[in-house]
Amino acid sequence: GAVVSQHPSWVICKSGTSVKIECRSLDFQATTMFWYRQFPKQSLMLMATSNEGSKATYEQGVEKDKFLINHASLTLSTLTVTSAHPEDSSFYICSASSGLAGGIGEQFFGPGTRLTVL
Amino acid sequence: GENVEQHPSTLSVQEGDSAVIKCTYSDSASNYFPWYKQELGKRPQLIIDIRSNVGEKKDQRIAVTLNKTAKHFSLHITETQPEDSAVYFCAASMGAAGNKLTFGGGTRVLVKP
Repeated sequence: GAVVSQHPSWVICKSGTSVKIECRSLDFQATTMFWYRQFPKQSLMLMATSNEGSKATYEQGVEKDKFLINHASLTLSTLTVTSAHPEDSSFYICSASSGLAGGIGEQFFGPGTRLTVL
Repeated sequence: GENVEQHPSTLSVQEGDSAVIKCTYSDSASNYFPWYKQELGKRPQLIIDIRSNVGEKKDQRIAVTLNKTAKHFSLHITETQPEDSAVYFCAASMGAAGNKLTFGGGTRVLVKP
């Protein structure tokens, strides 16, 4: 149980285009989903916290107009990178949390999406 | 906000030896401390976690200790095997379902056969 999927697993796009990444909790309802960005050989950096039906909370320094997050249901959150540029190339990972699916506080991670912007 | 420091950044051990990774945190309100193993290009996988109401937890070759007073916690891997080679991350949070994790910088562990 407690499986989180992400789609796509990798994407290559041209500079200036937008890319949407989906994060789904497959066997539990995720009241909260988190979006992380991970550059090569670095740690996971939280971008935003997303609660179903409400606006996402962005971490300091993360542009909310560039990284649009929608959490329309208890099993789906999406991250849209708008007007992507090469510096946005990174590994994007989502996680989902529910007090029912696991121990309180435990987050279940998706497999990640590797974004390359040319 | 919470700040988590992790040491060392790289660790090379001989197969069969023990590996120890240490983390410190800054927010005394943090009460949930998970450890993740991440292989190249893969998702982080939870290997063990500890909550602030216990000082030590063990799962086969892996153990975690927590010192709330000093605000540090450690991961111990005994009898290391080549498949233990990966990047390990510690993290801290206030433990509720919606509370965010703050990650340490990671430790790249290499187990030499």
